[in-house]
Amino acid sequence: DAKTTQPTSMDCAEGRAANLPCNHSTISGNEYVYWYRQIHSQGPQYIIHGLKNNETNEMASLIITEDRKSSTLILPHATLRDTAVYYCIGFRGAQKLVFGQGTRLTINP
Amino acid sequence: EPEVTQTPSHQVTQMGQEVILRCVPISNHLYFYWYRQILGQKVEFLVSFYNNEISEKSEIFDDQFSVERPDGSNFTLKIRSTKLEDSAMYFCASSPGGTANEKLFFGSGTQLSVL
Repeated sequence: DAKTTQPTSMDCAEGRAANLPCNHSTISGNEYVYWYRQIHSQGPQYIIHGLKNNETNEMASLIITEDRKSSTLILPHATLRDTAVYYCIGFRGAQKLVFGQGTRLTINP
Repeated sequence: EPEVTQTPSHQVTQMGQEVILRCVPISNHLYFYWYRQILGQKVEFLVSFYNNEISEKSEIFDDQFSVERPDGSNFTLKIRSTKLEDSAMYFCASSPGGTANEKLFFGSGTQLSVL
């Protein structure tokens, strides 16, 4: 599995877009980039995933660079409930999902 | 959206006792997982289960641990003789078919406290 690198923590003002970066320079061609988050001590929650193309769903947008060495998760209008630890993970399926330390995102009022 | 259900939400036990943590994965899912998270630490993989057998396990998953799918709906994690360091939040997860292009669904966890 690709090793991913994320900032330890970030802050964002409520209502603004939160942009969370992730470096995954060792990602292989068949690994998807997944984003999960963990709010307090709840179970990890799926946000979005992609392989090559940018993706958008009701929660977020995922921008993957053309060389696939990095990506950015965008929460377009962050709310206080988006305060959580966000994990960027490379995943090939049929094997374990490996969580790193993630980025602790704090949304400030 | 369908949910993975875990019971109990909290379990307190004495060191050396056996505990069974229970999970009901999403009904048409084929892959099942257990993860744990010690307070303040990362979410750690324990074991994955497919077709009624363990497909992968971590170094943490030693002989004290076992998993079972006793019927068509439940997926259990048994710790045979609990130790203080087994105190953690345990998360169950499931996925439809184990492919790269599908997400894992996690339960809300069981907080295990070993005294």
